Amino acid sequence: GQNIDQPTEMTATEGAIVQINCTYQTSGFNGLFWYQQHAGEAPTFLSYNVLDGLEEKGRFSSFLSRSKGYSYLLLKELQMKDSASYLCATYNTDKLIFGTGTRLQVFP
Amino acid sequence: EPEVTQTPSHQVTQMGQEVILRCVPISNHLYFYWYRQILGQKVEFLVSFYNNEISEKSEIFDDQFSVERPDGSNFTLKIRSTKLEDSAMYFCASSPTSGRRETQYFGPGTRLLVL
Repeated sequence: GQNIDQPTEMTATEGAIVQINCTYQTSGFNGLFWYQQHAGEAPTFLSYNVLDGLEEKGRFSSFLSRSKGYSYLLLKELQMKDSASYLCATYNTDKLIFGTGTRLQVFP
Repeated sequence: EPEVTQTPSHQVTQMGQEVILRCVPISNHLYFYWYRQILGQKVEFLVSFYNNEISEKSEIFDDQFSVERPDGSNFTLKIRSTKLEDSAMYFCASSPTSGRRETQYFGPGTRLLVL
């Protein structure tokens, strides 16, 4: 079966750094995705990790440890527009399996 | 930048009615997907489609659901006899045929309300 866990909510201050964790258990694993979703909108692709290690892309970085079934998304220099839900998803055969998402609120 | 588009943006229907949700995937993509998200819940996979046939479907995708690619650009999801619990946001997604095939790009969604 598939199980993906991430915190329900987080808060942070503008300009700060926040790390959103995700743990997963899956019967088949072909990569881990992070998507951003603003309320009422579609998920938008942020990052994809298939190998262990850190992938950096501007203010956003994503880390994967396959042996631990663990990933995190690191957001630096937080901006108000980063207030959104962040969805962790595993890629299995031909589909994405999403976690419930972490709602991040950024305060001034 | 190419985008997945979906119509309509909102659909209100009566229980038992048929609805067709439409999607235009990114033009050079050949892998297509439907997901749904009930309000306040997680995004759930419904079905994947490639080469004019279903690749995989979830338990949610029962006999009341069907997908079709009627022409070279559209990809549709039909719900034959809607139920109250079908009320959700329905997202279409597509992914490229080469490079990062795993990366799925989502459309803006159709919000379906069944009364």
